[in-house]
Order: sequence, then C-alpha cells, then structure tokens
Amino acid sequence: GAVVSQHPSWVICKSGTSVKIECRSLDFQATTMFWYRQFPKQSLMLMATSNEGSKATYEQGVEKDKFLINHASLTLSTLTVTSAHPEDSSFYICSAPRGLAGGPVRSGANVLTFGAGSRLTVL
Amino acid sequence: GDSVTQMEGPVTLSEEAFLTINCTYTATGYPSLFWYVQYPGEGLQLLLKATKADDKGSNKGFEATYRKETTSFHLEKGSVQVSDSAVYFCALRGFSGSARQLTFGSGTQLTVLP
Repeated sequence: GAVVSQHPSWVICKSGTSVKIECRSLDFQATTMFWYRQFPKQSLMLMATSNEGSKATYEQGVEKDKFLINHASLTLSTLTVTSAHPEDSSFYICSAPRGLAGGPVRSGANVLTFGAGSRLTVL
Repeated sequence: GDSVTQMEGPVTLSEEAFLTINCTYTATGYPSLFWYVQYPGEGLQLLLKATKADDKGSNKGFEATYRKETTSFHLEKGSVQVSDSAVYFCALRGFSGSARQLTFGSGTQLTVLP
C-alpha cells in the first residue's frame, strides 16, 4: 500500500538551532502534504498545507517564518523549525492525500496516508 | 468551529475485555466521522468511518455508530487482543469534504495485556 516515510522519528536539539523534518511519499505522487502538530494531551492540529511548486498555506496562528515548508518535488515535503525554542517541542506529523484506486485526488474522495511522526524536543 | 473530544487515556485492558473509547463532536452541518489507529512506529491508518447519521462503521472487529442526537461516535470492540495496542484518534471532516478540514481528537492510548 501507499507509504509516507517521515524522518527523523525523534530529534533533540538545542534552543536556537534549526531542525528539518522530511516527508516522502514512496510509491505515489503527492501534490499536497498536510503538516500537523500535537502537544501533549491535546488534539492533532493542522499547521499548514504544502503544495508542490507553490507556497504553503498556513493555518491561522502558525508563524510562517518559524515553520518553513518546502514542497520541492512530487514526493518530498520538508518542514524546518527555525530557531527552535522549548515551546516548539511537540509531535509533528505529515500526511498526503491520494486518489482512490490510484486515481486523481478529488475533494472528499481521497485516502490520507500519514507519516509515523517526528517527536521534537528542544532543550 | 468544529471540535472533537475523546476519552483521555491511557486505557489498559486485559486480553478479551470489552473496549469502549468515547468520542463526541461539535460541528455545523453533517460531518463525516472517522476513527484512525496508530500502531507503534507507524503512521495513522483509517480504521473505520461513517458518513451519515445512524451509519455504522466497522473493521477488524471494531465498530462505531454515528449518533447525531448525541453527537457521538464511540468506538467499541467486544474482545480486544494484544495486537490492538495502539493510539486511537477520533476525527471529523467538515461539510466541505476537503481533507484539509479534518479535525482530530487528542488520541487515546490503548494497552492490552496478555
């Protein structure tokens, strides 16, 4: 079945450094990727939607300059947490929609394939 | 806006016990409802879904019924197995039908002991 590979699965960094998280669709083309964040005991929240070849769309309250998203190819989207601080410590998950039976992506009729998540701890 | 509230975990059960994980929602219109499962080291996978009131979604022995009158979509399984140990997320998709409109609950960690 379709797989989205997300790396790293776990990262610890010092405050002020930047961390890049990658999501790759291994056996399908992902023109869109969704990035989520989950703080402990809270809901999984959509942060942004990345689109191949164009700028990402950020949800309200998410800082564009802190969370840089790049979707350079049909199989790779990256999230870079810049100048990370302890409050950025969270679980980050990506997902990509794909069409049913390998067909085109259509509104309301897609299958979401999720990465396994990346747990970021900023010291 | 839309929201999903699910039972806080963690939940620990013995093998063959009955499982219920509660999920209630707030949404305008007629959302679709989902349960996702995340096994250790893997991505979330769709477990079951229901798209209209009174629909029952089922898969791998799990069931959930879309109850509009109580705005609930509780997950149940009659006899859990060790292999069911995972995190379970309740979610809804707004009326627009876009994947962007998925709203998740906070997840419930289930551990099944042999």
